[in-house]
Amino acid sequence: EPEVTQTPSHQVTQMGQEVILRCVPISNHLYFYWYRQILGQKVEFLVSFYNNEISEKSEIFDDQFSVERPDGSNFTLKIRSTKLEDSAMYFCASSERSVGGELFFGEGSRLTVL
Amino acid sequence: AQKVTQAQTEISVVEKEDVTLDCVYETRDTTYYLFWYKQPPSGELVFLIRRNSFDEQNEISGRYSWNFQKSTSSFNFTITASQVVDSAVYFCALGQAGGGYQKVTFGTGTKLQVIP
Repeated sequence: EPEVTQTPSHQVTQMGQEVILRCVPISNHLYFYWYRQILGQKVEFLVSFYNNEISEKSEIFDDQFSVERPDGSNFTLKIRSTKLEDSAMYFCASSERSVGGELFFGEGSRLTVL
Repeated sequence: AQKVTQAQTEISVVEKEDVTLDCVYETRDTTYYLFWYKQPPSGELVFLIRRNSFDEQNEISGRYSWNFQKSTSSFNFTITASQVVDSAVYFCALGQAGGGYQKVTFGTGTKLQVIP
């Protein structure tokens, strides 16, 4: 069964450092997303991406964040100058359809900022 | 604005009991989608069901059943004869229609503990 894969599964970084979280969406999917879940809290939408551009971003997704699809398979989330409050599980998701399609989530990348 | 409320923060049941997880949503859209996801202790998000706003038929899948009622804006989830493997956090979510993209708003989740 096709799946969304994410790397790394866990990253520990020092405050102020840049991190890149990587995702390989399901190959025939066209819509890509990043969600975030602070420990013990709800899953929050960060950004959606389609046709090589951001479709929508939440208020969380400020200038510190950026997304990119550098090639035909990877979808990355970059966090510049990490802060303690960026510590969370970051989920990548993809869907085949723009609306109503099931979101297929990766297993998440846990980011710990010290 | 879209909102999903899962009033039950934590539920504990004894194995083989039935349990219902409540979900109430708010949206101004006439077309929308509702989802349930399971998050086991390992942390991944597992899709359970999708429902569109035009389909109010209830659904049963094995021990799982869902009751969608537009009149009360509710999409409740029942597990029959619960098992220890059902222990997880369950998220109800609302998908926004239109705009050419999918934005899903999650509830705060209900942590279900099934005690052997």
